[in-house]
Amino acid sequence: EAGVVQSPRYKIIEKKQPVAFWCNPISGHNTLYWYRQNLGQGPELLIRYENEEAVDDSQLPKDRFSAERLKGVDSTLKIQPAELGDSAVYLCASRGNTGELFFGEGSRLTVL
Amino acid sequence: SQQGEEDPQALSIQEGENATMNCSYKTSINNLQWYRQNSGRGLVHLILIRSNEREKHSGRLRVTLDTSKKSSSLLITASRAADTASYFCATDGGGSNYKLTFGKGTLLTVNP
Repeated sequence: EAGVVQSPRYKIIEKKQPVAFWCNPISGHNTLYWYRQNLGQGPELLIRYENEEAVDDSQLPKDRFSAERLKGVDSTLKIQPAELGDSAVYLCASRGNTGELFFGEGSRLTVL
Repeated sequence: SQQGEEDPQALSIQEGENATMNCSYKTSINNLQWYRQNSGRGLVHLILIRSNEREKHSGRLRVTLDTSKKSSSLLITASRAADTASYFCATDGGGSNYKLTFGKGTLLTVNP
């Protein structure tokens, strides 16, 4: 069974540029999460999807961040424009039947 | 915001010793989960303990949960150098929320 796939693994951009991250969850997992992890910290939830519906986006900075999960399968997280403080690892996860999360390897963003 | 708080922040032990990490949380939970994260990688689920359970084992891992004290502990017995990683507790508030909130983690270093 393939795991959660994320791309790109690394991205370096200049501030004010746009960036997008892609995630393909485990097949059949309806719940998908995007987390942001700063260095030395735990993951913090940005948005959670149930199928194609965003059911918790309270911590998503909506002025510059957007996400979509068309057709309820893969998902894209976008930042436009990026700021220096957005440098972090962006983690995607999908939820298994017993409540555990399966994470991708993450997308490490560096904003210069 | 992060609900769980791990203690200690960092732990260094010798191979073969046991490692104990603690997690405290603030609100009621449906279950509590522990994850491991190797440097530069995604998180890997280790074990899930439900609010009506007090202790759970998986291989060299032993997790306890005390809901009256809102705390949990993770014990790794006979540690190996490969156990070197960050360990996070995560709380699930239950219901249809499926919101998993992570702590800041404990960095475990096992010296060969």
